[in-house]
Order: sequence, then structure tokens, then C-alpha cells
Amino acid sequence: DAGITQSPRHKVTETGTPVTLRCHQTENHRYMYWYRQDPGHGLRLIHYSYGVKDTDKGEVSDGYSVSRSKTEDFLLTLESATSSQTSVYFCAISSPGPTNYGYTFGSGTRLTVV
Amino acid sequence: DAKTTQPNSMESNEEEPVHLPCNHSTISGTDYIHWYRQLPSQGPEYVIHGLTSNVNNRMASLAIAEDRKSSTLILHRATLRDAAVYYCILSTGNQFYFGTGTSLTVIP
Repeated sequence: DAGITQSPRHKVTETGTPVTLRCHQTENHRYMYWYRQDPGHGLRLIHYSYGVKDTDKGEVSDGYSVSRSKTEDFLLTLESATSSQTSVYFCAISSPGPTNYGYTFGSGTRLTVV
Repeated sequence: DAKTTQPNSMESNEEEPVHLPCNHSTISGTDYIHWYRQLPSQGPEYVIHGLTSNVNNRMASLAIAEDRKSSTLILHRATLRDAAVYYCILSTGNQFYFGTGTSLTVIP
């Protein structure tokens, strides 16, 4: 969507390999989020960031790490990919916080771990 | 934990109004009610949100019960492009809790 891009859009990787997904925004929003979406579960929060180098865990953070060294970039790393991490990953941004102003989502990254 | 309850699916005829219900009996006084929708192969997109009063925008209307334990998203004239999964979400702090949503089918 406008102002937020995710890369890559699709990726196939092997079990045990590290994988990094990138979210880039041009809106200068403070908050950034990573969600995963699986059938029957809706979207579940993995990690979020409320500023440069400020991050926190969401409800399904095990096996994932994040980094935010610049306002515009939020990276999601799968330390050692497993088949259970096959999913569609969405990045979202908001400012000043989602309670009142809501999210803008990216188009998603479809990750397959074989 | 599911914070909202929605029907799994609904159908509507094209050009007719659609009322999508949502129950959120555990809502707290500071929780906002948000609605997003997700078209196939896309990320969710914002539809509308509110706190206590009914809200209208160009996409839809949001009717919030007086006790705030339920709300209804109203699409005034459904079009084929409105076919999507609609999520009713409570925002708590900086986190949204998505349920599995309502899949809306629009019949021509």
C-alpha cells in the first residue's frame, strides 16, 4: 500500500536457515508491527516497535527477532526457519499509536518453509 | 483470547444494505472499536473506528450499542467489491487483537 512496502513478496526457504523480511515505510510513523496470518487464526502480533531501537514482543514471538535501526525500516528475522513458520507476514504502521488512529498494512510476504 | 465474536460468514445481495454484527462483551472503557476488511491476497485495510458514539464515513457506518458490548458495521449498498473478510477489533494500548472475521459474499 502507499507509504509501506514489504520485501520480498514471496520466499521459499529450507528448514533451519535464517530468513529476514523487510518492512519499509515512507510515512515517518513511530509505530511499526509484524503480524502473521494463518488459516483459522486471523492475524497474530509477532513483535512491534515504538521507536528506533525500541521493540517489544507480541503474542507469538517465539522463534522471531526484530530490529529497527532507522525509523523507516523494521526487520523481522526467523533465526532458524521451521515449517510451522510457513505463513503470510504483514507489516503495519501507525502514528501516534493504533488505539485512535489505526493501522496501515503492507501487502504481505508469503513465506514457505520446506 | 478472543476479544470479539463475529459470525464466520454472511451473504448479501448486491445493492442492498449489509449489517455485520460484532460482540465484545469484555470491552473496557478505553478500548476503541475498529473495523478492517481484507480483500483476497491483500493486507487488511481500515474501514472505520469509534469509541462510544455512532460514526459515519464514506465507506460505512458504525453503530455502537449503548453499553458498548456490541457493534454493527453497516455497508449501505453492497457492491461486488465489498466482498471481503471483515474484522471487528478492539484496540488495547498499542496492540490490536484480530479474530477470524466475517467472510462477506455479495451476490450479483
